[in-house]
Amino acid sequence: RKEVEQDPGPFNVPEGATVAFNCTYSNSASQSFFWYRQDCRKEPKLLMSVYSSGNEDGRFTAQLNRASQYISLLIRDSKLSDSATYLCVVNPFFSGGYNKLIFGAGTRLAVHP
Amino acid sequence: GAVVSQHPSWVICKSGTSVKIECRSLDFQATTMFWYRQFPKQSLMLMATSNEGSKATYEQGVEKDKFLINHASLTLSTLTVTSAHPEDSSFYICSARYVAGRDTEAFFGQGTRLTVV
Repeated sequence: RKEVEQDPGPFNVPEGATVAFNCTYSNSASQSFFWYRQDCRKEPKLLMSVYSSGNEDGRFTAQLNRASQYISLLIRDSKLSDSATYLCVVNPFFSGGYNKLIFGAGTRLAVHP
Repeated sequence: GAVVSQHPSWVICKSGTSVKIECRSLDFQATTMFWYRQFPKQSLMLMATSNEGSKATYEQGVEKDKFLINHASLTLSTLTVTSAHPEDSSFYICSARYVAGRDTEAFFGQGTRLTVV
């Protein structure tokens, strides 16, 4: 089983739509969670961290369910500029390795007019 | 925000030659940097953790003699792909965290697209 699993998509949605991405992780001791965005042939960039209480940043809402080892990202009112690959990222907690980030394969989003 | 600079952004080399990729933290000191590889339509795979002043820690399945990592200073880590072959063609990305902590953002270099012909 992969450490971080995501639906690869692609998700093709019209502008203005609401879209949700899901992610599961295998290490129950994982401590930190993030969503990164990666544009084609570019480096990943942090979109938002994911907190246990859930957090929102403008049109983006992230949720964490530790019991189910599940992370989600909700994008409301999709824009054309939201088209990218969204990477679910987990920081597993184990001795000597707390600085590592484990990436999911990413979910591709394509927003069309 | 913190900036990580990676050079070169792309390189084409002949099979059997070696290629060096540099990763610099421009406005902060990074005691630890990470090297990733990404094949088309696949996730970033951690290759190794580069520690300033000591040996790198390689992930399982990554050949340390083929991918040489040197972290000679707090702002520079290099990855050398030795005797490169076409199967080494990939997107190589380095990253560093401003503060050594599990909740802090990781900043990425721009990546190096390596093509071995």
